Formats: sequence, structure tokens, C-alpha cells
Amino acid sequence: EIVLTQSPATLSLSPGERVTLSCRASQGIRHYLAWFQQKSGQAPRLLIHDASNRATGIPARFSGSGYGTDFTLTISSLEPEDFAVYYCQQRDNWPLTFGGGTKVEIK
Amino acid sequence: QVQLQESGPGLVKPSETLSLTCTVSGGSISGHFWTWLRQPPGKGLEWIGYTHYSEDTRYNPSLESRVTLSLDTSTSLFSLKLTSVTAADTAVYYCARGAGNSNWPWDYWGQGALVTVSS
Repeated sequence: EIVLTQSPATLSLSPGERVTLSCRASQGIRHYLAWFQQKSGQAPRLLIHDASNRATGIPARFSGSGYGTDFTLTISSLEPEDFAVYYCQQRDNWPLTFGGGTKVEIK
Repeated sequence: QVQLQESGPGLVKPSETLSLTCTVSGGSISGHFWTWLRQPPGKGLEWIGYTHYSEDTRYNPSLESRVTLSLDTSTSLFSLKLTSVTAADTAVYYCARGAGNSNWPWDYWGQGALVTVSS
């Protein structure tokens, strides 16, 4: 089973700041990584798939990069609605697995 | 607009069977892959499995001996059955749709249904 390690666990930031979230896979997963955003009490929302492809309707301030074992989600300028938990998830190997999440909170 | 809605008992006794359904509206159920995931309170996400009307089905090995997914294209219902539940199965259960003609990624999600396992 592939283990995804997200860092940091928590980020305290202010609106307007640039955010970089990390996700590291225990073995290479090519480009088969997605990022999800989850707000309290809501279902996860797909942001990025295949490492760098924005899902339909996702603002351009969200971008993803990486290949193999190291991946990054970047939010170019934090909006108030972006404070949430972010999960990475791989689909290169079964079973599909998620990282433990990074919480982006208001400083 | 595609909408998914989970429903089922919110409380299940230990050793019994957890049964949930996902009602799909606004789109065809037969043209997509359908997935269940779960999230224990305050914890991360776990993939349970997917199914397709072609009977292409795959389960998480950690749950495979206890889980069954099924589709009813006549009623647009997608179902989950999990047998012999324990407190560790307490979670919010989500149904989700595979984008396009694939089992991944998941572009539409239900709001989630909390199931508590307790006597």
C-alpha cells in the first residue's frame, strides 16, 4: 500500500499569502495524484487531478506540480474561502490511498 | 446538475450490517463508475471501493471480505453493504462519481452520511 505523507500538518497564514503544500509518496506514483479541499462539515472537493490539471470550475490561483514521489499544491494568494483541510490522494496503485491532510488556518 | 444523496440508518449495532444507498439525480448512472469512501470523525479519508454497471468492481483489501457494492440502473441507486461492523466502522460515508468514463478522479460527491456503530 502506498503511503502519502503530507507536510506540514498545519499552516497558519493570512489572506493574500502564498501557500505551498507538500505530499510525498512512499514509492513512485507517476503523475497519478489528486488534491482535494475539505471544509468543516462538507464533502471533499476535487481541485487537481493527474498532478497538475485543475478540475472544472477551480480558480487559477490553485496549481499543482510534481511527478514520481514529490508533489506540491500551491495557492498563489489565499482567499478567505481557502481556509480548509487539503488532502492528496493517489491512484497509481491499489488500494487508492490518501495523505493525512494539511490544515490551512487563519493566522 | 448531477446530485448525489446518501441515505440509510444513522445507528447500527455491532456485528450487524451497515446498508447505505446513494441516490443519483441529474445524470446517467450507467455511464459512470461509482465509488464509496468514508471518514471517521476527526480523521482522514479511506477509499472503500468502486463499481460500474459492467460489473467492473474493486474493493479496498482491508474491507473486501465484508463489503458489497451494487448498482440499480432502473432506480439510479448505488448501494453499500458492510457486514459485521464494529466501532471502527463509525464514519461519515460518502458516495462519489468517477469523472468521464473512469473510476477516478471523483468529480461529484454526496454530502455524506454519518453512521455510528454502537449498541
